[in-house]
Amino acid sequence: QVQLVQSGAEVKKPGASVKVSCKISGSTFTNYDINWVRQAPGQGLEWLGWINSNSGYTGFAQQFEGRGTMTRNTSISTVYMELSSLRSDDTAIYYCAKRMGDAFDIWGQGTMVTVSS
Amino acid sequence: EIVLTQSPATLSLSPGERATLSCRASQSVSTYVAWYQQKPGQAPRLLIYDTSNRAPGIPPRFSGSGSGTDFTLTISSLDPEDFAVYYCQQRRDWLTFGGGTKIEIK
Repeated sequence: QVQLVQSGAEVKKPGASVKVSCKISGSTFTNYDINWVRQAPGQGLEWLGWINSNSGYTGFAQQFEGRGTMTRNTSISTVYMELSSLRSDDTAIYYCAKRMGDAFDIWGQGTMVTVSS
Repeated sequence: EIVLTQSPATLSLSPGERATLSCRASQSVSTYVAWYQQKPGQAPRLLIYDTSNRAPGIPPRFSGSGSGTDFTLTISSLDPEDFAVYYCQQRRDWLTFGGGTKIEIK
């Protein structure tokens, strides 16, 4: 049973960067597309981008190009999402999710990122 | 960017009633539509993928239909655990989510 376990909550100042991890357990770390989705308080879901755990290829939603970075460490079955130049409207729960076809079948528990001066 | 518009924003129903949720796309998304359920404090849960396929473990009271720009999630008889927020999602052109429909207890 594949599980995604994310790192803990973060509090950052405006202009800083945050790096959230997502560890894949219960399966070999092969050829998954791990996506990142965020949810601002009381709001809907917003897709940020994806990384392939095997190749390291990434893709970003247009609004995060240049500000987002996704990486992986295959030795510890973990992918990372880093967002720079944080603003107050980046305050959200950040989820990693495994893609199955055109949908996301497995989700992490979420990581709260708070941007506040 | 393909915009997904969900309606209604809120649906007030009683347990046992039928729920019909709509998701309309700004341009055709073929059948690349999924539906998720989200309860407070929880991550979204996949219900339906590729318009009409139930995810593993999802009860048969949940069904999806549609094509092109108009899609529907139907819950045939609401169970008390079904009161939640529901999102549609497309992956025809990059990826976007609808704004959500909340099903609340009447």
